[in-house]
Amino acid sequence: GAGVSQSPSNKVTEKGKDVELRCDPISGHTALYWYRQRLGQGLEFLIYFQGNSAPDKSGLPSDRFSAERTGESVSTLTIQRTQQEDSAVYLCASSRDSATNEKLFFGSGTQLSVL
Amino acid sequence: GENVEQHPSTLSVQEGDSAVIKCTYSDSASNYFPWYKQELGKRPQLIIDIRSNVGEKKDQRIAVTLNKTAKHFSLHITETQPEDSAVYFCAAPSGSARQLTFGSGTQLTVLP
Repeated sequence: GAGVSQSPSNKVTEKGKDVELRCDPISGHTALYWYRQRLGQGLEFLIYFQGNSAPDKSGLPSDRFSAERTGESVSTLTIQRTQQEDSAVYLCASSRDSATNEKLFFGSGTQLSVL
Repeated sequence: GENVEQHPSTLSVQEGDSAVIKCTYSDSASNYFPWYKQELGKRPQLIIDIRSNVGEKKDQRIAVTLNKTAKHFSLHITETQPEDSAVYFCAAPSGSARQLTFGSGTQLTVLP
């Protein structure tokens, strides 16, 4: 595709429900990131995938959060038993290769609202 | 891991004036320092970056300077225009895989 695609663009859920967010990176990009951005706040690192290496999960805030990536393509971020504090925009970004410090291309994000 | 601090958190300038945003980092091994601009309701986009083998880089009205000894880098915007109003984020690589850690952001407002 022409850019990083995220779906859904908006998700409203009830507290305690599970949600799954999807990211389609740019074709050929080996590095993929998930960030969380609360209203008016900065970009909080969640998880990072690079090729076939083990992902860096150091930013995941709790064991309710998990993410997977199939090869060098689609990634899904799953939040189990959602809480109101999970409400935020979840941004996905991809780059050709983090080892050579490449430009990040961001998706338009998923706005998650937990009622 | 990397600790990136950014100042100020908000900045207002008159149209035509200059704006400067500063960041410090903690990992002396970091060698790449990008700046991203996020307009209201939009995704962050790279506006300029610098690698550690140079001290300054310019692109029209924007420039970035790097001081590796002091571990800080700055974004300079000259002749500011209303369309420069946005949140600006600095970043630096961290971790064994060198993934980017972002600063907390600076809300720049250019007053007409």
